[in-house]
Amino acid sequence: DTVLTQSPALAVSPGERVSISCRASEGVNSYMHWYQQKPGQQPKLLIYKASNLASGVPARFSGSGSGTDFTLTIDPVEADDTATYFCQQSWNDPDTFGAGTKLELK
Amino acid sequence: QVQLQQSGAELTKPGSSVKISCKASGYTFTSYDISWIKQRPGQALEWIGAINPGSGGTGYNEKFKGKATLTVDKSSSTAFMQLSSLTPEDTAVYYCARLLRVYLPFDYWGQGVMVTVSS
Repeated sequence: DTVLTQSPALAVSPGERVSISCRASEGVNSYMHWYQQKPGQQPKLLIYKASNLASGVPARFSGSGSGTDFTLTIDPVEADDTATYFCQQSWNDPDTFGAGTKLELK
Repeated sequence: QVQLQQSGAELTKPGSSVKISCKASGYTFTSYDISWIKQRPGQALEWIGAINPGSGGTGYNEKFKGKATLTVDKSSSTAFMQLSSLTPEDTAVYYCARLLRVYLPFDYWGQGVMVTVSS
């Protein structure tokens, strides 16, 4: 299976820019998607196919990358962005997810 | 608006089976696949499998073949997942999620069902 590696945690101050990385163990073309999950809630789609903003998601969120290296950027970070962010690839079978990056606000 | 409403929490014993549901509303049920995803604390989400409500066709993660069985009832726009031969490692939150077709992301998720397996 394709392993997706994310850094476990980040801490930033409101107003700053943060980049969350996701590295795949093999190429996934552009089929990398990003989700936000707050405690006790279901995941919410933010970015699909590496760089496309999902409906209703603020333009503060953006995505980039292709192949094996992908990045989710939040600029500027707001207090409400405290959450865990997951990447997911849908190019190789089975679909796999990263373990998540927990974003904390200072 | 699109909603996926899942059934309530389950407490079950090792060796038993459980069937959880996911009722869809706000869209044409047969136009989107339904996937099921497992989440255990501190672990990556795991894709279990998917079903096409129109055809009933299914696809499973090899890891969950024999463990999960996916079905639908088109008349009530409801998808079901049965988990069998439960062990404590099956204790998790299980989500249903919608996707338009292969390769695309899960654009709507249910609220999740906590399944606890304990003697």
